[in-house]
Amino acid sequence: EDQVTQSPEALRLQEGESSSLNCSYTVSGLRGLFWYRQDPGKGPEFLFTLYSAGEEKEKERLKATLTKKESFLHITAPKPEDSATYLCAVMGGSYIPTFGRGTSLIVHP
Amino acid sequence: DAMVIQNPRYQVTQFGKPVTLSCSQTLNHNVMYWYQQKSSQAPKLLFHYYDKDFNNEADTPDNFQSRRPNTSFCFLDIRSPGLGDAAMYLCATSPRRGGNEKLFFGSGTQLSVL
Repeated sequence: EDQVTQSPEALRLQEGESSSLNCSYTVSGLRGLFWYRQDPGKGPEFLFTLYSAGEEKEKERLKATLTKKESFLHITAPKPEDSATYLCAVMGGSYIPTFGRGTSLIVHP
Repeated sequence: DAMVIQNPRYQVTQFGKPVTLSCSQTLNHNVMYWYQQKSSQAPKLLFHYYDKDFNNEADTPDNFQSRRPNTSFCFLDIRSPGLGDAAMYLCATSPRRGGNEKLFFGSGTQLSVL
């Protein structure tokens, strides 16, 4: 059974204070690891897909990295508009994504 | 823009009163999913379809049913909602069976049970 554990559950940052979110996973035959952003009361919005260990992707202030056991979402100099819940999901041999509980990020001005 | 649309955004129902949530997509995707998400919890897969091939998760309660009359539409029926069924219900699509592409989500339906 695929499993995803995200930490921390909640993170409060000051604007400009860089940090990282962690996604630890176990999966049988990784087909992809996905990061989504979810704003309150809305559906998840896709950020990145990573397919193999060592892969990295960037978008604005966000950078996602992947190892064989975990992924990190690095947030550089965050702004208040980056406040959201960040969800990690893995896809294994079933090709059905399994989600973590997410990290709730609040960035204070 | 092609998208996934869920209606209604907010649904209030009474304990035990049947309710139907709807999802439509203009992406022409083969795969559709229904997830249940409670506050601060991971989205939990209830059902998924490969075209009209229905797949029910083992732990999805019998109280939940689904229909997909055509490629574009999918419905979630809750026959006798209980207080524990109050949640956000998310519909999602992906292009093809056996693909490792991202999911496209709708905005969700927030269900309240009184």
